[in-house]
Amino acid sequence: DAKTTQPPSMDCAEGRAANLPCNHSTISGNEYVYWYRQIHSQGPQYIIHGLKNNETNEMASLIITEDRKSSTLILPHATLRDTAVYYCIVRVALSAGNKLTFGGGTRVLVKP
Amino acid sequence: NAGVTQTPKFQVLKTGQSMTLQCAQDMNHNSMYWYRQDPGMGLRLIYYSASEGTTDKGEVPNGYNVSRLNKREFSLRLESAAPSQTSVYFCASSRGEGVNTEAFFGQGTRLTVV
Repeated sequence: DAKTTQPPSMDCAEGRAANLPCNHSTISGNEYVYWYRQIHSQGPQYIIHGLKNNETNEMASLIITEDRKSSTLILPHATLRDTAVYYCIVRVALSAGNKLTFGGGTRVLVKP
Repeated sequence: NAGVTQTPKFQVLKTGQSMTLQCAQDMNHNSMYWYRQDPGMGLRLIYYSASEGTTDKGEVPNGYNVSRLNKREFSLRLESAAPSQTSVYFCASSRGEGVNTEAFFGQGTRLTVV
């Protein structure tokens, strides 16, 4: 699975959009981009995933560049409860099991 | 809807003691996983079971054994605990192969080895 690079931390104002970048320059054609978050040492929680098209669900939007070498997770209206560590993960979807490889993630602090 | 349940939530062991961490899921998932998370670090895969009856090593398997007891349950055993195994252990499950195989995680077992 391709390696990802994320900024170690970022702050965001409550009510504003939070844009979390992820670099995955070595991604291959059959690898998907997944985002998970971990709130205060709880178990990680799935947010969204995508291959090449932009994706949106009730939690967030995922924007993947045309060359697929980077992506951005967008939390449209950040709340204090969105304070968490966000992990960008790249993996081959059709591999056996779901062996997620977690990097350091981005520690997001949402401030009032 | 319980999801993924881990027991115990907290445990303190002495060096050399053994114990088994239990994990059960009620989502009829095929695949199950054990991760550990050291302070300030990301999760690392210990062992996984792609389907009932199979288990495979992950990134950090040394010092651990696993048993996929049935489709619901996947246990992790420490035969002789060491201080280096102090960590938070997370169990996870997913449907298995395919695109929409998001993983669901338990709330973790916080293990301290003294």
